[in-house]
Amino acid sequence: DAGVIQSPRHEVTEMGQEVTLRCKPISGHNSLFWYRQTMMRGLELLIYFNNNVPIDDSGMPEDRFSAKMPNASFSTLKIQPSEPRDSAVYFCASTRAIRSEEQFFGPGTRLTVL
Amino acid sequence: DAKTTQPTSMDCAEGRAANLPCNHSTISGNEYVYWYRQIHSQGPQYIIHGLKNNETNEMASLIITEDRKSSTLILPHATLRDTAVYYCIVRAGFNTGTASKLTFGTGTRLQVTL
Repeated sequence: DAGVIQSPRHEVTEMGQEVTLRCKPISGHNSLFWYRQTMMRGLELLIYFNNNVPIDDSGMPEDRFSAKMPNASFSTLKIQPSEPRDSAVYFCASTRAIRSEEQFFGPGTRLTVL
Repeated sequence: DAKTTQPTSMDCAEGRAANLPCNHSTISGNEYVYWYRQIHSQGPQYIIHGLKNNETNEMASLIITEDRKSSTLILPHATLRDTAVYYCIVRAGFNTGTASKLTFGTGTRLQVTL
């Protein structure tokens, strides 16, 4: 099992540019989560999907952020336009939505906005 | 989800047991106690979880007090590779088909030394 796959692993961009982060969940998992981690705010949930449907997006910071899950094997998190304060490590996690099943995290994408 | 309180940091000598405490005095009857850890520059990793009974797996043991207001994660023989931030999370159980989110606090930074 390849685990949760995220790409790119590192992204450096300039303020104002569009950034797209990608995630492939573990096969058979039907819930997917996007988290962001910074020194100031720690690890915070942005949005999560169940069976490709967004369930809770209350953690999405503002309209510049959007997430999609067009099918069970792929999700994107887009930032447009990007700002320096968006610099963080973005993690994707997946799980089977069965009772107390644990979440499996990907390696993260380190985003730097200059 | 109930709030948890953990010490900011702890040290442990290699080969000794590491006992990481967590207080969750407002936990409710259907909430589980989860432990994750995050090794530097990696995504969080699931360790163990429990509801009422003590639990043990290949990584650790989880001791939950009878009133469920606190718990202790035990790494029986800590190694240098166990140096990480350990997160105690209380999370409601959920019905089959709907996942629930994890809310990460600041965790305990465990330093294992020679």
